[in-house]
Parts: sequence; C-alpha cells; structure tokens
Amino acid sequence: NAGVTQTPKFQVLKTGQSMTLQCAQDMNHNSMYWYRQDPGMGLRLIYYSASEGTTDKGEVPNGYNVSRLNKREFSLRLESAAPSQTSVYFCASSESRQPNQPQHFGDGTRLSIL
Amino acid sequence: DQQVKQNSPSLSVQEGRISILNCDYTNSMFDYFLWYKKYPAEGPTFLISISSIKDKNEDGRFTVFLNKSAKHLSLHIVPSQPGDSAVYFCAAPWRGGADGLTFGKGTHLIIQP
Repeated sequence: NAGVTQTPKFQVLKTGQSMTLQCAQDMNHNSMYWYRQDPGMGLRLIYYSASEGTTDKGEVPNGYNVSRLNKREFSLRLESAAPSQTSVYFCASSESRQPNQPQHFGDGTRLSIL
Repeated sequence: DQQVKQNSPSLSVQEGRISILNCDYTNSMFDYFLWYKKYPAEGPTFLISISSIKDKNEDGRFTVFLNKSAKHLSLHIVPSQPGDSAVYFCAAPWRGGADGLTFGKGTHLIIQP
C-alpha cells in the first residue's frame, strides 16, 4: 500500500531557483492538501484542493502555487525560492473535505534553500 | 495567533503508566478535533478524533476527553508502551469547518522503560 507518495524526499536549492514538489495518492481520495512544518512548529496549511479541478489558499500561501493535475496528483511549485521557505513539506489526502475524514500524510520533502 | 495550543513541548512517562497530553483551543466554532502521531522522518498518522457533540471518545488504549466550557481537550494513553514514544499533534479544522487542519506545535512523548 503506497498511500501518499512524495518526491523528492530531499532537495537543496539556491535562492531564486524554482522547483516543483510532487505528490500522488492511490486511495481514490477527493481532497488533497499541502502543509509545511518548521522546527518546533505544528503543520501549517499552504494550499488545498477540495476536489479535482479546484484549488484554494490555506493559512500560508504566499510564494507558492499549486496544480491539481488529476484526481491522484497535486503538485506544489516554488517559483523563486527564498531561505524562509526552508522547511519540511507534507502532502496529505482525504476522502472528502469534511474534518471527520482523517487525512493521510506522505513522509515529507525536506527542502533547504541556501 | 495560534488557534490550537499545546503548551508542553515534551512529556516523559514510565512504561505501563498513564500518559496525558493536553491541548487548548481559542476558536469556539471548532466542532471537531483530531490527534495525530508522528515518528521522526515520517508523516503524521491519524490516531483518534472527537466531535464537539461528545465529551469522550475511546479507541483501545487511547481516550480523548473534550471540555468545551474550558476549550480544552486531552489525550490519555493507558497503559503507555515504548512504541508510543513519538510527537503528538492536536488539530482542528482550519476555518472551523472543512478544508484542511490547523495544528498545535506538538508534544514529544518519551516512554521510559
């Protein structure tokens, strides 16, 4: 059972470079999410996609864009990376957008911006 | 400002004893709460949840209690086992409804042999 798969697992970028983080789920879930986790902090919602074809901003969307490519895949793009975007990024999915549907998380992408 | 607060960064408990993890929230519109468990280098995994219409939910060794008047919830683990050593996050719907979660900073639970 793959669940939620994130690629790459690690990445180092220079300030100003661009990058796309990939996420795919094989559970036929409708809703997908991107979070970031900084040291000593909880996860913060960047963007979400309630269903295929829709995306919306979360708590901390600045500096990011997303694409819900199809029902399985939800990518996160950094157009011009900044040191403040150094973080661990988690993708998650759930059957629906309702909170009683638990979110299933990938193992994260550890991103360093120099 | 954080809507979900976990004020204890770490907690050490002896194996076999009860572990109690606490969480406070500020938004009275929250109607659902979740606990997630996270091991190093892995993503969070769902543990247990509770609706605001209940004051207790139990699943095996895990029980969550909700005190709405105090805006407080707690996770009880009985008995604590070595595999319970992890970071525990309390979470609630980001905007008080659907579409993503807001998380506390987490409590690192250490189970001592």
